[in-house]
Amino acid sequence: EAQVTQNPRYLITVTGKKLTVTCSQNMNHEYMSWYRQDPGLGLRQIYYSMNVEVTDKGDVPEGYKVSRKEKRNFPLILESPSPNQTSLYFCASSYGAKNIQYFGAGTRLSVL
Amino acid sequence: AQSVTQLDSHVSVSEGTPVLLRCNYSSSYSPSLFWYVQHPNKGLQLLLKYTSAATLVKGINGFEAEFKKSETSFHLTKPSAHMSDAAEYFCVVSLAGSSYKLIFGSGTRLLVRP
Repeated sequence: EAQVTQNPRYLITVTGKKLTVTCSQNMNHEYMSWYRQDPGLGLRQIYYSMNVEVTDKGDVPEGYKVSRKEKRNFPLILESPSPNQTSLYFCASSYGAKNIQYFGAGTRLSVL
Repeated sequence: AQSVTQLDSHVSVSEGTPVLLRCNYSSSYSPSLFWYVQHPNKGLQLLLKYTSAATLVKGINGFEAEFKKSETSFHLTKPSAHMSDAAEYFCVVSLAGSSYKLIFGSGTRLLVRP
């Protein structure tokens, strides 16, 4: 089954404690991206990757890092989380930005 | 700058009546436009997309949208609302050229009354 898998689905952490949210897709997609969803703001793109070892900033990259060492995986790293990063995060993949995006189920993060 | 504006944060309709969710975009280039739906506690699912072919695009579950370049609009419609249509809907623009960014509207929450 074609899918984008995010883990964990829910995470509560404290300020400053490094965390990683994993994202994996099984569709051999080149393009992957991370979004955060906040009430009234829709989804905002954090980072995207056009292929292995090729990443670029989206609209709200501050406080986040990503890597794309393998085509299927695109982890999101918060080196020192802060409360303003409390949000719902989505990973997505596609054959290209103009193609259909396939979304993961989301990761709800709370930073205390 | 490119942007997407969803004109209504909430839309409430009765079951069986038409649905209209409005979206305007601003882009210097020929955009690709999408509508996605998000049901509660779910990820986003594609409803339909426009990529410079026919201006009237048909999607899943009876939804359709019309691209109007002169009005820079891409409104989503459905002739008859069903209870299962209650969800949040996002208008999205993908820019032509070298940019790989996607820009999401702020969303419209559709409520369907019995």
